[in-house]
Formats: sequence, structure tokens, C-alpha cells
Amino acid sequence: DTGVSQNPRHKITKRGQNVTFRCDPISEHNRLYWYRQTLGQGPEFLTYFQNEAQLEKSRLLSDRFSAERPKGSFSTLEIQRTEQGDSAMYLCASSLGASGNIGDEQYFGPGTRLTVT
Amino acid sequence: DQQVKQNSPSLSVQEGRISILNCDYTNSMFDYFLWYKKYPAEGPTFLISISSIKDKNEDGRFTVFLNKSAKHLSLHIVPSQPGDSAVYFCAAKVYNFNKFYFGSGTKLNVKP
Repeated sequence: DTGVSQNPRHKITKRGQNVTFRCDPISEHNRLYWYRQTLGQGPEFLTYFQNEAQLEKSRLLSDRFSAERPKGSFSTLEIQRTEQGDSAMYLCASSLGASGNIGDEQYFGPGTRLTVT
Repeated sequence: DQQVKQNSPSLSVQEGRISILNCDYTNSMFDYFLWYKKYPAEGPTFLISISSIKDKNEDGRFTVFLNKSAKHLSLHIVPSQPGDSAVYFCAAKVYNFNKFYFGSGTKLNVKP
């Protein structure tokens, strides 16, 4: 396994269009995270899955955002009716997630850079 | 709510010397802290972590120190190498909660 992969790497879309990003985590990892990162900032938590269950969502995740992780494998993040403020790098990460803090270190994908024009 | 802060946007160090990157946090419930390194056009890469039951964790050239009373952690890189030039993020979480809070990063430049 070569790590976390994300597709596409870049996406340019017009305001109002819908976009969908895909993340393939490391195969044995049961936890999957989505983050958004803007210039000069660190990753901001969006949502988290334990297997197929979405257990936490940030207030940053408006109704236009939806994430799924069918069968606890890959995940998709969809943004409907995109706005210029959605332009950012969208990062996916996965972790093993054992007991306590063990296995909590996350492995990140390269990200999908979204530009909304 | 910026619960994890990295107040130095950049740091420049000579090769072979020590690099010290700092991170402050406000939430006393944080009990697990991590450092990540990020190269351009790549996602962050896990570097080292520390649990709140410890005050130091070492891995090769990298050592993380935690001062719980000051709500401060630091990453020491000794000796610094040009390949260490990257953006470094600190992150924190509360036990059994899986929401991670990241700082804004410090760009380290190690000069040959």
C-alpha cells in the first residue's frame, strides 16, 4: 500500500457547480478524516469517520457539504452550489485508531486543490 | 477558536545547529500532541507525538518537549539539515475525541 490517495489533485469549477472529491485511505485504517486548508493556515477539521459511521462534523461543514464512506473503505466529499469561499486545499487523512491515543497519528493524502471562479 | 497557536510564521537556522519550533495551546483538556512536517505539493507527514503523561519524547534527531503548566510544547531538531526545510505544524486532541486542532504552521529554512 502506497499511502492515502486523493482524486482529483486539482479542480477548477464555476461558482454554483457541484464538485465531488474522492479519498482512498490506507487499507487497514478504520478512521478517516477530512480537512480544509487555506493559505497560511493549518488544516481545519471538517469531519471524521470510524469505519462507515460519520461520528463528528465541524460547524464549518455547512449544509452544502456532505461526506460519505460507504462500506468503510474510500470516502467522498461533495460540495454543492460551490462558492468562491470554498476555494481551498481539501485534505484527507486516515489512522489506525486503536485504543486510547495509540494509532492516532494520521497519514495524509496529497490533497485536492479546489478553485472556484 | 484558535486553540493551538504557532506564533512564529518562519524560522531560519544554519545547517548543523539546533532548530526550535514552538507551539502554545489554550485547552487544558488536550492530552495528546503531534508534530507534522509538510513539503510543498504534499500532504503533512507525521513526525513525532507526545502524550500528556510525559514531558519529553525523542526520536532520532527530533525531540518534543511538553510543559503542561505553561500549555506549551516545542520541537527540537538537532542537528538541522537542509532536508528539514519545510512547514511544521503542531496538533492536539482530547483523549477519546477524534477532532484534531492544528496550529498555523512555522516555515523552517535550514541554510547550508
